[in-house]
Amino acid sequence: NAGVTQTPKFQVLKTGQSMTLQCAQDMNHNSMYWYRQDPGMGLRLIYYSASEGTTDKGEVPNGYNVSRLNKREFSLRLESAAPSQTSVYFCASSEAVGPGYTFGSGTRLTVV
Amino acid sequence: DQQVKQNSPSLSVQEGRISILNCDYTNSMFDYFLWYKKYPAEGPTFLISISSIKDKNEDGRFTVFLNKSAKHLSLHIVPSQPGDSAVYFCAASGRYSGAGSYQLTFGKGTKLSVIP
Repeated sequence: NAGVTQTPKFQVLKTGQSMTLQCAQDMNHNSMYWYRQDPGMGLRLIYYSASEGTTDKGEVPNGYNVSRLNKREFSLRLESAAPSQTSVYFCASSEAVGPGYTFGSGTRLTVV
Repeated sequence: DQQVKQNSPSLSVQEGRISILNCDYTNSMFDYFLWYKKYPAEGPTFLISISSIKDKNEDGRFTVFLNKSAKHLSLHIVPSQPGDSAVYFCAASGRYSGAGSYQLTFGKGTKLSVIP
């Protein structure tokens, strides 16, 4: 099925470990996004990529880095995980604002 | 400070009745508004949207109303069905980043429970 694929679905990290969350879309969308969802906080934008080769910070970028590897793939890296980064992470893509974003199913990350 | 506010964390409605979910925003530069629906362990899915040039948009059982002067929008679901039980997020389009990229600012969500 066409859409946004995120891997892994679940991950447990120890404080200080690093990891990369992977995201790929097959809809030929130009723009991709990373959000985190925390209880009572809604969805907050971490980083986005308006088009291949560009990335920009969102509302909560500290502690994260991103790479727009090509038009399909947009990865999120935690260099030194902290318990405050325990969250559910969603990747999304869009072509234009009309249809809105297409979201992946999320990665549930726990940092202990 | 929150630019998109959903002040009701939860709402319970009887099956067949109307569900009304509310959303307020503070940024007068927002010009496009969307509602997303989210089931547990899934990503949000787009439900319905409205441009600021309109005050109403309808799609089947779902209608979104926009009151620009009050900076308020609402989602009406009629009739409500048990399958509508989910978390609903209100979102507004923010700064345009070029190449079709619009940042969305989300509210905290309202959990709707439709009781059979």
